[in-house]
Amino acid sequence: LAKTTQPISMDSYEGQEVNITCSHNNIATNDYITWYQQFPSQGPRFIIQGYKTKVTNEVASLFIPADRKSSTLSLPRVSLSDTAVYYCLVVLYSGGGGNKLTFGTGTQLKVEL
Amino acid sequence: DAGVTQSPTHLIKTRGQQVTLRCSPKSGHDTVSWYQQALGQGPQFIFQYYEEEERQRGNFPDRFSGHQFPNYSSELNVNALLLGDSALYLCASSLGLAGSNEQFFGPGTRLTVL
Repeated sequence: LAKTTQPISMDSYEGQEVNITCSHNNIATNDYITWYQQFPSQGPRFIIQGYKTKVTNEVASLFIPADRKSSTLSLPRVSLSDTAVYYCLVVLYSGGGGNKLTFGTGTQLKVEL
Repeated sequence: DAGVTQSPTHLIKTRGQQVTLRCSPKSGHDTVSWYQQALGQGPQFIFQYYEEEERQRGNFPDRFSGHQFPNYSSELNVNALLLGDSALYLCASSLGLAGSNEQFFGPGTRLTVL
């Protein structure tokens, strides 16, 4: 699976939009991009998944350019409760061989007042 | 609808001992994966069970073994504990093996090896 690279940490203030970019240069045709959020001492929580262009749900947007070598997670109007680690993952979309998730070290987002 | 549950919440063992951790998947899910998360690191995949069989395995020694029961619940066993086994052990469940299927994580079991 493609290796992902994302910033180690980011700081923001309440009410701002936060964009976290992830690079995955070796992404394959059948790979999807998935983002998880993790709070201390809790399990990761799925945020959003996409293949190309733009995906939006109630908590975030995911922007994927045509070459799919990078992706950007956008969190609109963050609050203190968005302080967490955010992981970018590349996941094989289909197949019965299994769907293990390969996590990197993630991006620690800190939101302040 | 209960999500993924794990037991126990915390556990303290000494080197050389054996430990068993338990996981009940989210209702309707049939696939269970186990991850180890050391402090400050991302979760590392241990193995995955589907239809009571180990389907994928990460880079973990044979001291780590598991089992899935007919009701889809699962156990993780670790023998001959080492200090380095101290970590948060996470269980995740999904419906089937496709990568497009969202995985739901439990709160984890914090294992401390002294």
